[in-house]
Amino acid sequence: KNQVEQSPQSLIILEGKNCTLQCNYTVSPFSNLRWYKQDTGRGPVSLTIMTFSENTKSNGRYTATLDADTKQSSLHITASQLSDSASYICVVSEGGGATNKLIFGTGTLLAVQP
Amino acid sequence: DTAVSQTPKYLVTQMGNDKSIKCEQNLGHDTMYWYKQDSKKFLKIMFSYNNKELIINETVPNRFSPKSPDKAHLNLHINSLELGDSAVYFCASSRSSGGSSYEQYFGPGTRLTVT
Repeated sequence: KNQVEQSPQSLIILEGKNCTLQCNYTVSPFSNLRWYKQDTGRGPVSLTIMTFSENTKSNGRYTATLDADTKQSSLHITASQLSDSASYICVVSEGGGATNKLIFGTGTLLAVQP
Repeated sequence: DTAVSQTPKYLVTQMGNDKSIKCEQNLGHDTMYWYKQDSKKFLKIMFSYNNKELIINETVPNRFSPKSPDKAHLNLHINSLELGDSAVYFCASSRSSGGSSYEQYFGPGTRLTVT
């Protein structure tokens, strides 16, 4: 069964600190892996999209890594800000077909405290 | 300049009623989606339309019927609402559906509460 698992479920850090969120997946065939940020009461917003051949991608203070061999990804947030408080969702796209079906992880709820 | 919009934002209704949620995108995308986010914040795809044609139809009760009058709109009609239908429903759109890395843009969500 295609699944995406994330850890930790929740995380509290102090403003200015770094953190790393983890994602393991069993989706096959694999097309790409995405990280989304979802603020409370809003829809998810894409942070990064990585294909099989990419092993790192940055978007400002967000850096995602992908190891397609071990089927693991991480999202590293540098110098956290209060506005980083949100749910971060790892999403893997099934490949090989005519559709772009996304399999969502359960998310990591990040709280950045002053 | 809203990219993907949904109406209404909140919907409170009683069991057994029929309701609709509307979605519109002004991005010129070909593909639109409906997702359901349950109380545990888990997002799951329900339907996907590409150029008004249904391409993904997950295991969803047939009380849920999507309708795409044109490629900029994808509405969701729900018959005989049940308590378990309470969730946040997100509409999304993307440039294409075919095995691509195209980004999906999500609407703000519609929080449906069935009492």
